[in-house]
Amino acid sequence: DTAVSQTPKYLVTQMGNDKSIKCEQNLGHDTMYWYKQDSKKFLKIMFSYNNKELIINETVPNRFSPKSPDKAHLNLHINSLELGDSAVYFCASSYRDGRTEAFFGQGTRLTVV
Amino acid sequence: AQKVTQAQTEISVVEKEDVTLDCVYETRDTTYYLFWYKQPPSGELVFLIRRNSFDEQNEISGRYSWNFQKSTSSFNFTITASQVVDSAVYFCALSEAGRNTPLVFGKGTRLSVIA
Repeated sequence: DTAVSQTPKYLVTQMGNDKSIKCEQNLGHDTMYWYKQDSKKFLKIMFSYNNKELIINETVPNRFSPKSPDKAHLNLHINSLELGDSAVYFCASSYRDGRTEAFFGQGTRLTVV
Repeated sequence: AQKVTQAQTEISVVEKEDVTLDCVYETRDTTYYLFWYKQPPSGELVFLIRRNSFDEQNEISGRYSWNFQKSTSSFNFTITASQVVDSAVYFCALSEAGRNTPLVFGKGTRLSVIA
């Protein structure tokens, strides 16, 4: 069974479109995250949710809106996509108290053309 | 604020050589966790090790070993007898316990092992 699964794996879309990436974890973790990995491989936190509550919102354009319907799911919706949004987006989950490592999904490669 | 520095951007070695990847961290917390992740060319992030701040014992797992030194705020990773399959980007990361802080990653070190 996949621990953290995100879909789709690849997403190619035109500028100005709206798209969503879905993430689900079956590990019973209480905290989920979205990370963005740019072309230089730098991994930067975007959002963190604990038990459906937003606890971290880094400096991210408000075109990005995370939604957590329950603690096992954290989706990312992006409005009005721009060329600079092209990146790999990783979903991850862990326990808030850090008792285990964070588990990552396989990543979603978003290409905006 | 927490920070992780991986000064080596790229390293290239010949197969069977030993290689050490450096990681230096900054934190004000006394309780924190350090991690290494591997990202092979296929793109997924593979967990390698987790170490808490109270455990300074070095660890060995097969060809991999880790040297944690609080005195120098370093958590270095050594691969012995490197293999081509070790070629990947390696990330060091830090999380501070109990502060709602997520993993903060270093910028990664790209390791190329040449046959």
